[in-house]
Amino acid sequence: DAKTTQPNSMESNEEEPVHLPCNHSTISGTDYIHWYRQLPSQGPEYVIHGLTSNVNNRMASLAIAEDRKSSTLILHRATLRDAAVYYCILRRLGANNLFFGTGTRLTVIP
Amino acid sequence: AAGVIQSPRHLIKEKRETATLKCYPIPRHDTVYWYQQGPGQDPQFLISFYEKMQSDKGSIPDRFSAQQFSDYHSELNMSSLELGDSALYFCASSTWTGANSPLHFGNGTRLTVT
Repeated sequence: DAKTTQPNSMESNEEEPVHLPCNHSTISGTDYIHWYRQLPSQGPEYVIHGLTSNVNNRMASLAIAEDRKSSTLILHRATLRDAAVYYCILRRLGANNLFFGTGTRLTVIP
Repeated sequence: AAGVIQSPRHLIKEKRETATLKCYPIPRHDTVYWYQQGPGQDPQFLISFYEKMQSDKGSIPDRFSAQQFSDYHSELNMSSLELGDSALYFCASSTWTGANSPLHFGNGTRLTVT
């Protein structure tokens, strides 16, 4: 499986936008880019996913580079509830698995 | 909306005992996944099932087995428990649409082996 690289940790002030980067230089054409997050003492939670085009949903936006070797998860207005570990995961089309790497621990400062 | 239900929430066992964890997927979800998360670790994929058949296998020890039943619920059976098996065990479910279907996770079962 293609690997992703994320910063170990990031900080953001409350109510400011947050841009969480992810590098995936060995991505293949059939790999979807998924983002999950895990709040303390909870199971992972799906955030967003995409293949080539930028995606928006009620939780976040996903910006995918034109060459697909990197992507950025955008939280438009961080709240204290967004403090979590964010995982960027490549998931191959047809794969019945999801492998978590080492994500980014986001701290939101009041 | 209905979520993934796992039982029990907490389980305490002694070394060499057996444990069974249960997972009830979201209605109409036909794929179930099991994960193990040790203290301070990231979730590790163990195994998945689609339509009651094993569909993928990760780092599941030979002492563990799992199955998916006709009502789509799944059970993870763990035998000869070791101290290192103490962890959070998560179950997730999805519909079978390949990589385009998000996983929905339960809140986990915390297993403590003493």
